[in-house]
Amino acid sequence: ETGVTQTPRHLVMGMTNKKSLKCEQHLGHNAMYWYKQSAKKPLELMFVYNFKEQTENNSVPSRFSPECPNSSHLFLHLHTLQPEDSALYLCASSPSEWDSNTEAFFGQGTRLTVV
Amino acid sequence: GQNIDQPTEMTATEGAIVQINCTYQTSGFNGLFWYQQHAGEAPTFLSYNVLDGLEEKGRFSSFLSRSKGYSYLLLKELQMKDSASYLCAVRDGDYKLSFGAGTTVTVRA
Repeated sequence: ETGVTQTPRHLVMGMTNKKSLKCEQHLGHNAMYWYKQSAKKPLELMFVYNFKEQTENNSVPSRFSPECPNSSHLFLHLHTLQPEDSALYLCASSPSEWDSNTEAFFGQGTRLTVV
Repeated sequence: GQNIDQPTEMTATEGAIVQINCTYQTSGFNGLFWYQQHAGEAPTFLSYNVLDGLEEKGRFSSFLSRSKGYSYLLLKELQMKDSASYLCAVRDGDYKLSFGAGTTVTVRA
C-alpha cells in the first residue's frame, strides 16, 4: 500500500465509449502524475499537475483529458480510444514537482483494454 | 528526449548477487531513482542517488557515477521474492522524471 489508490483496477472499453480513471492520494502531496506503461517499454509521462495546475502535457492525444479538481484527486477522461491505447495507466504523487530528492509514490494502476 | 538504458532481463540463483546496470543521457541531472515493480503491482521506491558513490540499504545498494552517466543496483543474498522488474529513473534539469524500460529479474531456486 503506497497511499495512492486508483480505480478501477481493470477496464475494458469499446472505441466509442467514454470512461474515466480515478486517482486519489491522502499523503498531503501537491504534485500528481499520469504515466502510461506498455509492455517492454519505458513508463511514459503523460501529464503533470502541481498545486492543481497542469504543468506538463507530453504531447498526449486529445482523446485523453486530465482533470485535477484538488490536490488529492486526479482523473483521466477517455473517449474514442484506439486499440493501441491499451496499457497500464499509472498515477503517482510527490510532495512537489520541484523537489529533486523525493520519490514519487505510485498507485497500482488501471489495466485498460480497448476493443 | 531523454535516453535511459538498462538490460531487459537477468536471471540469478537464490542466495546469489545480481547487478543491474543503467546508463543515461539527460538534459541536466537532479537525481537517479531505482524502483521495484512486481507483476500487477505499483512500482515501489528502492533508492535515490544524487552524489557519486554507493548508497547501501540492507541487501540492496545503488551506485552512481555522474561523469559516466552510469548507475547500478546491486541485489545481494537474492530471495525468491526479489523476482520483479527493476526500473531506473532519472530526474533531469527540468525536474522531469524519465524511466528506463525496466529489467526483469528472475530468481531461481
